[in-house]
Amino acid sequence: AQKITQTQPGMFVQEKEAVTLDCTYDTSDQSYGLFWYKQPSSGEMIFLIYQGSYDEQNATEGRYSLNFQKARKSANLVISASQLGDSAMYFCAMDSGGGADGLTFGKGTHLIIQP
Amino acid sequence: DAGITQSPRHKVTETGTPVTLRCHQTENHRYMYWYRQDPGHGLRLIHYSYGVKDTDKGEVSDGYSVSRSKTEDFLLTLESATSSQTSVYFCAISELQGSGHYGYTFGSGTRLTVV
Repeated sequence: AQKITQTQPGMFVQEKEAVTLDCTYDTSDQSYGLFWYKQPSSGEMIFLIYQGSYDEQNATEGRYSLNFQKARKSANLVISASQLGDSAMYFCAMDSGGGADGLTFGKGTHLIIQP
Repeated sequence: DAGITQSPRHKVTETGTPVTLRCHQTENHRYMYWYRQDPGHGLRLIHYSYGVKDTDKGEVSDGYSVSRSKTEDFLLTLESATSSQTSVYFCAISELQGSGHYGYTFGSGTRLTVV
């Protein structure tokens, strides 16, 4: 069974600062994928970034990067130069790599960016 | 755009009544999923489908059934709704990305209240 742990229920960050959202995972699979989603107050689930278990380089997508430390089983999301619009719930998730069995989610981190 | 439509968007129903939520997709995706989202729990998988008439249970399947008689429609049924099933329900699909991994796209959600 897969498990995702997000230990920060809520975070307050000043605008323009960098933010790190923590995520640790547990799985017995050798092949897996790690995902981050953003959920603004409007409720939709927005895909941010993906990291495969065999990817040697950390994934980056614009202001988002994923700090992947395989030995520590961590997949932290880093948001550079935070903006007010980054205020939202953030979910870390993983799958077994095959696309069939779905995603396992963490409980989420509520990020609030302060001006 | 994965073309996912959930209906209804909002529903209030009474305890003990049957309820069916519909997920419709327009792009012939094989894999479909139903999740529920509750405060403090993130998203949890209810049921998923590998194709027409091919479904399986997820983490929180008790009290729910699903059907997929056509590729484009995945129905979630609460046979006898209870207050504990008050939640936001998300449908999702997965599709193979150009980089070789599966990506997941979510519908807009259905807010169900059982009174």
